Amino acid sequence: DAGVTQSPTHLIKTRGQQVTLRCSPKSGHDTVSWYQQALGQGPQFIFQYYEEEERQRGNFPDRFSGHQFPNYSSELNVNALLLGDSALYLCASSLMGRTGDEQFFGPGTRLTVL
Amino acid sequence: GQQLNQSPQSMFIQEGEDVSMNCTSSSIFNTWLWYKQDPGEGPVLLIALYKAGELTSNGRLTAQFGITRKDSFLNISASIPSDVGIYFCAGPPMFSGTYKYIFGTGTRLKVLA
Repeated sequence: DAGVTQSPTHLIKTRGQQVTLRCSPKSGHDTVSWYQQALGQGPQFIFQYYEEEERQRGNFPDRFSGHQFPNYSSELNVNALLLGDSALYLCASSLMGRTGDEQFFGPGTRLTVL
Repeated sequence: GQQLNQSPQSMFIQEGEDVSMNCTSSSIFNTWLWYKQDPGEGPVLLIALYKAGELTSNGRLTAQFGITRKDSFLNISASIPSDVGIYFCAGPPMFSGTYKYIFGTGTRLKVLA
């Protein structure tokens, strides 16, 4: 049973650049959520995708955008990178329905902005 | 951003000891989740709670959904070295939207062999 996978594992960018992070949900899951985790803090909710649409968004600027594909995989795009965007970006998948609250996380993508 | 308050922030314990930690919020939750995160990895779901007063176990771990629905507790019995890590509580506050999960500040557990 394949778990949540994310790519790449690590990424280094410079200020002003754009980045795309990818996530494949756990087998059988249809919902993907993205989180940003700064060093020493808990994950912060960015947004959630279901049926290829953004269903809810956290307190993140429009520079953060996403997409969900028909196979339920998802991308997170960040434009005009700032130093403060350096963080671990986590993808979590879940199955809409009774157990939809149980989110399973991938290993994350470590983004460093120089 | 909004976070749940967890205590203690960190703790050192001896192997074999029992551990207790809690999570409190000013908002009501319908679901409480407990996760463990190891350095450089994503959080791993330990226990999910869905009803006020519910007590659920997963091996040596036991978690409770507080009666007020504003808190939750996690206990680890007979700790072992691999229990080391950061424990997070999480869930969707009732009035923030069903899908916007809030995470706690974390409890860092260190086990001395």
